[in-house]
Amino acid sequence: AQSVTQLDSQVPVFEEAPVELRCNYSSSVSVYLFWYVQYPNQGLQLLLKYLSGSTLVESINGFEAEFNKSQTSFHLRKPSVHISDTAEYFCAVSDSGSSNYKLTFGKGTLLTVNP
Amino acid sequence: DTGVSQDPRHKITKRGQNVTFRCDPISEHNRLYWYRQTLGQGPEFLTYFQNEAQLEKSRLLSDRFSAERPKGSFSTLEIQRTEQGDSAMYLCASSLPVGSSPLHFGNGTRLTVT
Repeated sequence: AQSVTQLDSQVPVFEEAPVELRCNYSSSVSVYLFWYVQYPNQGLQLLLKYLSGSTLVESINGFEAEFNKSQTSFHLRKPSVHISDTAEYFCAVSDSGSSNYKLTFGKGTLLTVNP
Repeated sequence: DTGVSQDPRHKITKRGQNVTFRCDPISEHNRLYWYRQTLGQGPEFLTYFQNEAQLEKSRLLSDRFSAERPKGSFSTLEIQRTEQGDSAMYLCASSLPVGSSPLHFGNGTRLTVT
């Protein structure tokens, strides 16, 4: 079984400041890692994913995350945030060898970007 | 790709009533998942289908919950004898049958049990 810990439930930042949302996972098997974003009253949208290869993955809107196997972490970063980045962010893990590929989610981090 | 569609968006019901939600996945996706999300929590896995076969159910899915996916297309989730603790957002997701294929989520059905 896997589990995901998102260390911060809320992260308030000012516009154009850098941000890091922390995610640690626990698993006895190889994993795929994901970050999803959820805007109010909407479903989850995939932000980025790590499957294999380069440990640094990027999204189209400036976010990046780095897979660190030794620290079992997959922290999400952005060098300069915008008001529109205000949303809830979920880290998720799946067993790369499983046949069902279901995701196990963390509890989420609410990012609030203030002007 | 019209996305995953869920209906209704909101449902208010009285305790003890039955409710049914519908999910239409992306047409070429043969995997379909149901998740439940409560306030302040991440989505929790409920059940999963590959085509019409329900292959896994969470212990969260009590015997009052039943899900179907006839013909491997749309899916329904029924809750019988609703309780206030069933109030949550019910999310549906679909994906291609490849491990690296991400889940695509619908906008969810928000259930309020009064």
